[in-house]
Amino acid sequence: QVQLVESGGGVVQPGRSLRLSCAASGFTFSSYDMHWVRQAPGKGLEWVAVIWYDGRNKYYADPVKGRFTISRDNSMDTLYLQMNSLRAEDTAVYYCARDPERYYFGSSAYIIDFWGHGTLVTVSS
Amino acid sequence: QLVLTQSPSVSASLGASVKLTCTLSSGHSSYAIAWHQQQPEKGPRYLMKLNSDGGHSKWEGTPDRFSASSSGAERYLTISSLQSEDEADYYCQTWGTGIVIFGGGTKVTVL
Repeated sequence: QVQLVESGGGVVQPGRSLRLSCAASGFTFSSYDMHWVRQAPGKGLEWVAVIWYDGRNKYYADPVKGRFTISRDNSMDTLYLQMNSLRAEDTAVYYCARDPERYYFGSSAYIIDFWGHGTLVTVSS
Repeated sequence: QLVLTQSPSVSASLGASVKLTCTLSSGHSSYAIAWHQQQPEKGPRYLMKLNSDGGHSKWEGTPDRFSASSSGAERYLTISSLQSEDEADYYCQTWGTGIVIFGGGTKVTVL
């Protein structure tokens, strides 16, 4: 069955770095755009970044631009999020999610159709 | 600027129906959206994609009591025969150029 399993979360001091991973299984990973979405405690969903299925393009939300880097290894069916210069406001559960629109429908839309269970990142001194 | 507006909360009795609204900002009434459900203490779950013409495609595990429709810039999610497990936050989601947007979410309480 389809699975997305995030890992790498934890407690980190402000200004430090952390790398999240998302292991995919049960589907053709290399045919899906992939997203990171986060949710601060008690808050709504906030999109973080997207990478196209072939890795050709990446886009970021303004709050993380220049600090976070999304990447993927299609040979390993794994998505990554490198987070540098972390701030207290980055504290959140981070979800990876897949998106079939570009490859399967030839669409420029971004529509998430499956989510992982999330990994908690806490930025605190 | 593309914005999705959702009512913060709604409540209804067990077995009743409830209709959630997601409103696209001006100039974006042709956009498709997705509806996602987040039950308490769980990750989000995709329910369905909804087009501007009301056509929609559900995830295979989405119960039949969930349906969707569109009118102009409004996108609706209707939950019929409300069950206790439907108590959750519901988010609409769409996209712009190089960006993904979520509505603020609607909390559904089952009385």
